[in-house]
Amino acid sequence: DTEVTQTPKHLVMGMTNKKSLKCEQHMGHRAMYWYKQKAKKPPELMFVYSYEKLSINESVPSRFSPECPNSSLLNLHLHALQPEDSALYLCASSPLPNTGELFFGEGSRLTVL
Amino acid sequence: GENVEQHPSTLSVQEGDSAVIKCTYSDSASNYFPWYKQELGKRPQLIIDIRSNVGEKKDQRIAVTLNKTAKHFSLHITETQPEDSAVYFCAASISSGGSNYKLTFGKGTLLTVNP
Repeated sequence: DTEVTQTPKHLVMGMTNKKSLKCEQHMGHRAMYWYKQKAKKPPELMFVYSYEKLSINESVPSRFSPECPNSSLLNLHLHALQPEDSALYLCASSPLPNTGELFFGEGSRLTVL
Repeated sequence: GENVEQHPSTLSVQEGDSAVIKCTYSDSASNYFPWYKQELGKRPQLIIDIRSNVGEKKDQRIAVTLNKTAKHFSLHITETQPEDSAVYFCAASISSGGSNYKLTFGKGTLLTVNP
């Protein structure tokens, strides 16, 4: 299995809702990432988990809460989002020690009303 | 931190022509340079990469060149086809085997191949 799987593919939520994005990989990768991508822009790094521990938080607002329950799963919990948070959220994984390559999921397209 | 500049932002070519996209980076410690292709609504897909101990790498119609002294690298696509139309991102990183791994992307190039 060489895929990173993300669910849901599309999500529409109101500003008062609580929702979660999920990511799963079975490649044995021990680093997992959340990226945010706005239209016509490059992916922006949000969080990095290494060996299931948060190693990088790129000053992301607390309304985004990551969780790594085990080496295969990565969640992003969403609460009290703003319309400007609407974007494509990409999960990625890489082996550790890192070789540089990132394997991206298809993304979850989030719309905040 | 690393800064990656990418040019041009848009590129339009006729089918069969070549396309060249150029990137420069700022951190001389960077040693891994991937290129991603992203079609509309899809994930970024790695199409080719190069490491700092290599000057050029080819894969069929795609090639990447790296000039470490000048800190720039380029993507070359020959015999372009309409299905090459997409946004292309260059990126740079320091691949040291550590766990705090960050990939810095260029702003992207929208390539349009006209039939």
